[in-house]
Amino acid sequence: SSELTQDPAVSVALGQTVRITCQGDSLRSYYASWYQQKPGQAPVLVIYGKNNRPSGIPDRFSGSSSGNTASLTITGAQAEDEADYYCNSRDSSGNHLEFGGGTKLTVL
Amino acid sequence: QVQLQESGPGLVKPSGTLSLTCAVSGGSISSSNWWSWVRQPPGKGLEWIGEIYHSGSTNYNPSLKSRVTISVDKSKNQFSLKLSSVTAADTAVYYCAGSKFGLSGLYYYYYMDVWGKGTTVTVSS
Repeated sequence: SSELTQDPAVSVALGQTVRITCQGDSLRSYYASWYQQKPGQAPVLVIYGKNNRPSGIPDRFSGSSSGNTASLTITGAQAEDEADYYCNSRDSSGNHLEFGGGTKLTVL
Repeated sequence: QVQLQESGPGLVKPSGTLSLTCAVSGGSISSSNWWSWVRQPPGKGLEWIGEIYHSGSTNYNPSLKSRVTISVDKSKNQFSLKLSSVTAADTAVYYCAGSKFGLSGLYYYYYMDVWGKGTTVTVSS
């Protein structure tokens, strides 16, 4: 079982703002990274570090962290943002990786 | 731009050994801190299998450690996965990924910035 906890499913109205959260003890020492995965495709990194976006990721994606909780915020969600989102971090020992269980985002 | 490509048999018999290779192109395998294998069973989430540093140091998922070996071949710019004693539960899409790891202020950062497209492995007789 994952030590990073995510809500299984979240929905958002088109154009509205949605926050996806990830909880875990390791997040007190590590920034979470966030990945978007669409059906039949490999995961794509969308947020890393304190709040960094790889080239090509729209600026409506942002990240934040407080205590043991990391958040991915999509401001003005688009239909193409409908996907599964996973958080990722090393565990508290630093020797292993963890993924959250994933959040399925539905854009209504 | 670094690209990754997984290769290997798509069908493995139960109790056999799953063997996959990840070829790194567009850059040196020494350019990222760690190289990982991640899998995703049908309809389920991502599971980290293990990782290797370009020097050869490894870390493995404790739940798979007894069956996993990850190795690197710098001369071929590739790294490999072997998973022994496979069962149907090992049926999954297997991804290789490259990652970066460091310290920024008071926090560490870790992220997988390059992924292969994935390869489907089915365990069946």
